[in-house]
Amino acid sequence: AQSVTQLGSHVSVSEGALVLLRCNYSSSVPPYLFWYVQYPNQGLQLLLKYTTGATLVKGINGFEAEFKKSETSFHLTKPSAHMSDAAEYFCAVSPSGSARQLTFGSGTQLTVLP
Amino acid sequence: DGGITQSPKYLFRKEGQNVTLSCEQNLNHDAMYWYRQDPGQGLRLIYYSQIVNDFQKGDIAEGYSVSREKKESFPLTVTSAQKNPTAFYLCASRSTGSEQFFGPGTRLTVL
Repeated sequence: AQSVTQLGSHVSVSEGALVLLRCNYSSSVPPYLFWYVQYPNQGLQLLLKYTTGATLVKGINGFEAEFKKSETSFHLTKPSAHMSDAAEYFCAVSPSGSARQLTFGSGTQLTVLP
Repeated sequence: DGGITQSPKYLFRKEGQNVTLSCEQNLNHDAMYWYRQDPGQGLRLIYYSQIVNDFQKGDIAEGYSVSREKKESFPLTVTSAQKNPTAFYLCASRSTGSEQFFGPGTRLTVL
């Protein structure tokens, strides 16, 4: 079985500060990993994904994540938070090496303080 | 523009009624999915379909039904057997080798 743990259901940062959202996963096979963002009452938008190859993945809106197999982690970072980054963020893992079925974490609500 | 549409955006249901949520995609994707989202619980898979006229139960299929008669459409029916249907419902689609793309969601409230 696959699982995803997002540490911290709520994270607050000041505008301009580093954003770090944590994601750890368990998978019996090499995983595909995803970060999605959700704004209120909207669907999910893909920020970035790791499938194979380079372990540091760059996404949209200045976000990036690094796949660390030894730590089973895929933390999301952004050097400088903007007010527009306030949203809920979901980490997801695919159990079969494809995006066919996703297991989602419970989400992290990011608040950006002025 | 290609994308996924869900309708209605807001839906109100009386207890004991069945309701059907619409999901349409013009991305030519083979696979389609239905998720339920509750606060603090992330997304949970209800049903998915890899191809027309075929679908499989997800983790929380009880009280729900689906059909896949056309590639573009994957409607979800919330039946009266679903005891706690108030939630945000998200539809997604995927082509082979790609990530899942999500629609804007339908918020269902039972009165």
